[in-house]
Amino acid sequence: AQTVTQSQPEMSVQEAETVTLSCTYDTSESNYYLFWYKQPPSRQMILVIRQEAYKQQNATENRFSVNFQKAAKSFSLKISDSQLGDTAMYFCALASGYALNFGKGTSLLVTP
Amino acid sequence: DGGITQSPKYLFRKEGQNVTLSCEQNLNHDAMYWYRQDPGQGLRLIYYSQIVNDFQKGDIAEGYSVSREKKESFPLTVTSAQKNPTAFYLCASSFAVGGFSYEQYFGPGTRLTVT
Repeated sequence: AQTVTQSQPEMSVQEAETVTLSCTYDTSESNYYLFWYKQPPSRQMILVIRQEAYKQQNATENRFSVNFQKAAKSFSLKISDSQLGDTAMYFCALASGYALNFGKGTSLLVTP
Repeated sequence: DGGITQSPKYLFRKEGQNVTLSCEQNLNHDAMYWYRQDPGQGLRLIYYSQIVNDFQKGDIAEGYSVSREKKESFPLTVTSAQKNPTAFYLCASSFAVGGFSYEQYFGPGTRLTVT
């Protein structure tokens, strides 16, 4: 069985600061992908970043970067220079076959 | 513009009625998925389809049915057998190679309320 755990139900950060969202996972597969999705109040799910398990280099997309620790099965998301538009639910997800397994999400509030 | 459309955005039904949620994609993706989202929960997989005329049950398929007659379309029917159908439903699609699907792209969702 595959599981994804997000241990921080809610977080807040001030505008322009940096915040890190945590995610741990469990899988017995050797080939898998990890993703972070953002769900703003509109409820549209938006892909933020992806990481292939076979790649050692951490993925980066503009202000978003990950810290992928394969041995520890940890996949955290760092948001730099936080903006008000980053306020959203953030979901960590694991894919090792046909479908995604999602964590329960972290609600991030960016304050002025 | 390529994307995934779901209709309607809001849907209201009386208990005991079947209802069908629409999902269409023009991304030429092979695989399509239906998820259910409840408050405080992540997304849970209802059904998925990797090719036309074939689909598999996900984790919570009871009370739901699907069809995949065209590559672009994957409608979901919520039947009267679904005990707690009020939820937010998300459709997604992705490329799928060798049984492995890559990042999924989501539609805007349908909020179903059954009273």
